[in-house]
Amino acid sequence: QKEVEQNSGPLSVPEGAIASLNCTYSDRGSQSFFWYRQYSGKSPELIMSIYSNGDKEDGRFTAQLNKASQYVSLLIRDSQPSDSATYLCAVNIYGNNRLAFGKGNQVVVIP
Amino acid sequence: GAGVSQSPRYKVAKRGQDVALRCDPISGHVSLFWYQQALGQGPEFLTYFQNEAQLDKSGLPSDRFFAERPEGSVSTLKIQRTQQEDSAVYLCASSDETGLNAGELFFGEGSRLTVL
Repeated sequence: QKEVEQNSGPLSVPEGAIASLNCTYSDRGSQSFFWYRQYSGKSPELIMSIYSNGDKEDGRFTAQLNKASQYVSLLIRDSQPSDSATYLCAVNIYGNNRLAFGKGNQVVVIP
Repeated sequence: GAGVSQSPRYKVAKRGQDVALRCDPISGHVSLFWYQQALGQGPEFLTYFQNEAQLDKSGLPSDRFFAERPEGSVSTLKIQRTQQEDSAVYLCASSDETGLNAGELFFGEGSRLTVL
């Protein structure tokens, strides 16, 4: 079982709609969770961090964490063409000095 | 500069050649990470430095890979006797936090290695 799983294929959403991305992780002891955005040919950049169960909102982005289900999600409201990118879920693996990344989900916002 | 700087941005090597990839982290950042990213995949952890100490090298795929950060700032990732499967983008990231708190990573633009 991979440490961080993002299994959905590319997601196409119309401009203005909500994009929903999901991620599961294997290590029950993990405490820190992150979403990174990566534009094509560019490096990842942090957009959200979440540490407690529940929702965390930052502008058009909402991260949701459910530690009991080992599940993290990201919602992008009012999607814009500039949101077209790959979104990487990352988990700070308990007891290790590193972030483990999922393979990413590509989002395409259609004008 | 203000960000993480990596060089070279692009490197083409013949199979069997040695390569060295350089990372200049954000000034004052204690933690430095190397990741390998294959096309269409997420970054895979290679190694972690806290200052000059290499605290975790569990992700290095073979003994052909070696990393150092002798003075706690600039780091070099060296790959000996390159193989085609080493072709990837090598990302360096730094953080002003350590270990389990080092979640906010600042990435460089990466070094794209192509082995022919």
